[in-house]
Amino acid sequence: GQNIDQPTEMTATEGAIVQINCTYQTSGFNGLFWYQQHAGEAPTFLSYNVLDGLEEKGRFSSFLSRSKGYSYLLLKELQMKDSASYLCAVMDSNYQLIWGAGTKLIIKP
Amino acid sequence: GAVVSQHPSRVICKSGTSVKIECRSLDFQATTMFWYRQFPKKSLMLMATSNEGSKATYEQGVEKDKFLINHASLTLSTLTVTSAHPEDSSFYICSAPQGEHQPQHFGDGTRLSIL
Repeated sequence: GQNIDQPTEMTATEGAIVQINCTYQTSGFNGLFWYQQHAGEAPTFLSYNVLDGLEEKGRFSSFLSRSKGYSYLLLKELQMKDSASYLCAVMDSNYQLIWGAGTKLIIKP
Repeated sequence: GAVVSQHPSRVICKSGTSVKIECRSLDFQATTMFWYRQFPKKSLMLMATSNEGSKATYEQGVEKDKFLINHASLTLSTLTVTSAHPEDSSFYICSAPQGEHQPQHFGDGTRLSIL
C-alpha cells in the first residue's frame, strides 16, 4: 500500500530552527509537496521537490532524497505565526496526491 | 492573491437540507478539481475527483448519491451535500492544480454545521 509518515507533533522555541521529516512509500513518484495549515483554515502551498536536493525559499527549505524515500521541511528563525500543521504529500504515478497526516508544530516563546 | 475561490465559507442548516458548495478557479482553467473533507485535528481525506465534462471519480466509501459533484465548466465545480445530517458536519475543502503536475491550490474551505 501507499504510505506517508511524519511525526504527529513537534515543539520548538521562537527564533530557533526545526526540521520536520517525511518518509514515503508510494507507487511511483512525481513530486513531493509541503503545505502549511493553520487551525480552521485550508492548506497553503509551501514547496515542491521533484529532484534530489535542497530547495530554499526564504526561511523555509525543503529537501528530497528519492532513493531514500525521504524529505524534510526546515524552518529557520521560527516565529509564533509558524505554529501550524505541516502536511507532506506525494504525487504518485497516477498523479494522485497521497497525503500524510500532518505534523502539528507548536512554537513556544 | 487567491487562485481558487470557495463559497460559502460557513453554512449552518437544519437536518434534511441540501447544501451546495462552489469552487472556482480564478484566472486559470481547471479540468480537474478535488474535494476533500477534514474532521477536527485529522488529516485531509480525499472524497472525489471532479472532472470537467465527465463523471466525478469517488473514493472508496464515499456515497456518490449523497455527495453530488458537477464540473460544468473549466472554472467551476460544485459539491452538493444532499439531505444533510449531523454526521455530515465537517470542513469541506476544494483544490485545483494550476497546470499539469502543478501544486494544488486550495479554496478557503466551507465549514458545514448540520443541526
